[in-house]
Amino acid sequence: QVQLVQSGAEVKKPGASVKVSCQASGYTLIDFYLNWVRQAPGQGLEWMGWINPNSGDTNFAQKFQGWVTMTRDTAISTAYMEVRRLKSDDTAVYYCARGDALRWNSASGTYSGQTEGFDIWGQGTMVTVSS
Amino acid sequence: QSVLTQPPSASGTPGQRVTISCSGRSSNIGKNTVNWYQQLPGTAPKLLIYSNNLRPSGVPDRFSGSKSGTSASLAISGLQSEDEADYYCAAWDDSLNGYVFGTGTKVTVL
Repeated sequence: QVQLVQSGAEVKKPGASVKVSCQASGYTLIDFYLNWVRQAPGQGLEWMGWINPNSGDTNFAQKFQGWVTMTRDTAISTAYMEVRRLKSDDTAVYYCARGDALRWNSASGTYSGQTEGFDIWGQGTMVTVSS
Repeated sequence: QSVLTQPPSASGTPGQRVTISCSGRSSNIGKNTVNWYQQLPGTAPKLLIYSNNLRPSGVPDRFSGSKSGTSASLAISGLQSEDEADYYCAAWDDSLNGYVFGTGTKVTVL
């Protein structure tokens, strides 16, 4: 079935980096946007950004620009999200989530943006930042 | 912080109808469609409503969504114990060039 499977829990010290993986199965990774969302303990959902797995293009929420990177390895249908310079308030569950199907707009020479919701979610990866 | 505002809690007895509001701005709900997510305790969110009022396959028709201007709402009719969860609205925001979630509403079945 269609699913996203994420890597396991991580414990990191402040200042370190963490890289979370998200493997797609049951569909072709490069056919859909892939988003990342995090949730701090007891808090709400926070969108971090997306990657276009076909082109590698990314877009981040302003607060994550410069210290979060999103990449992919299409050969193994896997997307990655790396957070650098971890702080204690980065402790959260990190989710990957499938977005809209990628549609090429030949008139503009770009991919159409996302307009809908996230229909498939990974199980989440708990990242704990503690000294 | 969240750009979309929801009441922190809502409750009802089994069989009742519960409504959750979601207030936004012209740059998000005013221009784009609204999605709703259900998050059961300890699990990943699940898409409940998309494009304001459409249900993905498998979502019971007890759940319905609507939108008017810069606000949206989710209604749960015939409330059941398994509906006890956190509910989040969300929409794309043209000014922020990103996706914004609501503050979340915890639904309790009394």
